[in-house]
Amino acid sequence: GAVVSQHPSWVICKSGTSVKIECRSLDFQATTMFWYRQFPKQSLMLMATSNEGSKATYEQGVEKDKFLINHASLTLSTLTVTSAHPEDSSFYICSADQGLAGPDTQYFGPGTRLTVL
Amino acid sequence: QKEVEQNSGPLSVPEGAIASLNCTYSDRGSQSFFWYRQYSGKSPELIMSIYSNGDKEDGRFTAQLNKASQYVSLLIRDSQPSDSATYLCAVSGGGTSYGKLTFGQGTILTVHP
Repeated sequence: GAVVSQHPSWVICKSGTSVKIECRSLDFQATTMFWYRQFPKQSLMLMATSNEGSKATYEQGVEKDKFLINHASLTLSTLTVTSAHPEDSSFYICSADQGLAGPDTQYFGPGTRLTVL
Repeated sequence: QKEVEQNSGPLSVPEGAIASLNCTYSDRGSQSFFWYRQYSGKSPELIMSIYSNGDKEDGRFTAQLNKASQYVSLLIRDSQPSDSATYLCAVSGGGTSYGKLTFGQGTILTVHP
C-alpha cells in the first residue's frame, strides 16, 4: 500500500514553455498532497501543500502564479510550471499522507526531473 | 524559523559495523520525526517514524528520540554496502505547520566492504 506515482519521470523543454507534472495516489485517497523541489546536492524544500477541492497553500518565496497546483480529485494533484526557465530545472517530488500510518507520515512519488534548455 | 540540522558527512563505516546518524531540531513543538533514505537520483523512501521519547526498533534500524534535548538519531546495525545512501531527517511540528515536513540537509553514508 501507499504507492504514489508521478508522470512524467523526466522532461526536457525549451525556455518559455509550460510543463505539467502529475502526482497520483494509486491505492489510497489523499486529501492532501505535498510538492517538493530538490536541487543537486541539496535537501528537499517544500513548495506547496495541495488540498483537494481548494486552493493550494504555497510556502514563502514560491510564486503561486508560476507554479500552478490543481488537486481536482482525491487521487490526483498536478503541478504546472509556467513559462519555465533554466533556473526552474530541478527534481520535483510529490508526496501524500496515506492516513493509515502514524501522524504526518508522507510517502513520496518517484520524482520528475525537469530540464529547461 | 524551523530548522533541522544534520552532519552532512560523508560518514564512512565498514561493512557489518554500526552506523550512527544524528539530527537536531529547533522547534520544541515538533511532534513527529522521520528518517528517510534517498539513493542518488531517486526520491526519499521512508525508513522509520518515531513520535515519543525513547527507542524504536525495526529490523536493523533503531530510531532514538529525546525531545528534551531536541535530538533524534538513527542507528543502522550490521551495515551493508546497499545501505550507502543519503539519510534525511524530517520533522513535523504542530500549530500552523501541522502535516508539513521540514528536512535536514541529509547525511551521506558510505558502507565499504
